[in-house]
Formats: sequence, structure tokens, C-alpha cells
Amino acid sequence: NAGVTQTPKFQVLKTGQSMTLQCAQDMNHEYMSWYRQDPGMGLRLIHYSVGAGITDQGEVPNGYNVSRSTTEDFPLRLLSAAPSQTSVYFCASSYSPGDKIGYTFGSGTRLTVV
Amino acid sequence: KNQVEQSPQSLIILEGKNCTLQCNYTVSPFSNLRWYKQDTGRGPVSLTIMTFSENTKSNGRYTATLDADTKQSSLHITASQLSDSASYICALGFGNEKLTFGTGTRLTIIP
Repeated sequence: NAGVTQTPKFQVLKTGQSMTLQCAQDMNHEYMSWYRQDPGMGLRLIHYSVGAGITDQGEVPNGYNVSRSTTEDFPLRLLSAAPSQTSVYFCASSYSPGDKIGYTFGSGTRLTVV
Repeated sequence: KNQVEQSPQSLIILEGKNCTLQCNYTVSPFSNLRWYKQDTGRGPVSLTIMTFSENTKSNGRYTATLDADTKQSSLHITASQLSDSASYICALGFGNEKLTFGTGTRLTIIP
């Protein structure tokens, strides 16, 4: 049972490049989400999904796309990277939105856009 | 102004001592209040989850309290250990999972 696996752990992009951050979970969780964490700010929700085929926007969705074709995978796509997207990105999952156990977070992807 | 404010921003204590971290919030009601522990370079790990109607929840040496009247939550750590060095993050959960996170308290335990 690996939990939530994020790849890559580190990435440097040039402005304008695109890339996909991968997130996979093996716990059969229905709910998955993406957060970004910036210095001096709390984690902010980018996009989330309540099940395969269903996604919705969070607090800071601009510049990011998601899809959920399977229960296990929830990739985050940066369409045209900007320096403002330099951040640490976390994927999280849970059985349901109101799960009493709480979210399981991945170990993060540190992205630098130059 | 953040809806969730945590204090202090950072704290250094000696191993074996107790400490209390604060979380003040401005919005209510909410579905639940959560405390997370985040080690450097890792994702947050859930410590406690309290519903709006609960006023205390424990997880080993961690005890969270919630005072709806003063809109405050505290995380008390008993008999601190070096492994407790981490950031501790408070978060409010609303219905369909729009979590609002605080910026965290950085706790350092020194031997």
C-alpha cells in the first residue's frame, strides 16, 4: 500500500513550457485534490475531483487543467508555465469529502519556473 | 485577512516540555476543524479532526481543543520529542471539502 504517490519530486521549467504533475493513489479513494503551498500562505486548493470523470475548480485554478479518467490517477497539467506558478504542489485523497479520517497527502512536487 | 490565523509563527522548546499552539478563525459554522503535522519536505499528515460540536480530540501526546465561543482551537503537545519538530497546520473544513488552511506554526524541539 503506497498511499499517494507524486512524481516528479523536483522540476525546473522555463516560462511558457508545459508539463504534467502525476498523482496516483492505491487506496480506492473517490476524492482527490491538488493544492499549492507558498511561503507565508496556507495550502490553497487548485482543482478537485469527487470521482472518475468529475472534476471541479478550487480557489486558484487559473493556468492549470485536470482530468480524472480512473479512480487511481489525477494528473495536474500546467498549460504554459509562469514564474508565479513556482510552488510546492501536493496531491491529496480521501474516501469522501467529509471523511473523518482525513486526507492522505503525497510528499509533494517542488516546481521552479524560470 | 486570513480566515485562519495561527500563532506563534515559530516556537522553540526543550525536549520533554509541553507546548500549546493556537489557531484563531473568523468564519463559522464549519463542518470540521483539522490539525496537521508537516515534516520538512513532506506532505501534511492528519493529527486530529473535530466536528463543530466537539470540544476536544486526542491522538497520543497531541490534544486539540475547540472553543466555538471565542473561535479558537489549540493543539497541546505533551512531553515533546525531537521528532515533534515540524510545522503544525490548522484547517477548517466546509461541507463539500473546501478546506481553508492556516499558514502554520514552525515548532523546533531542542535536546
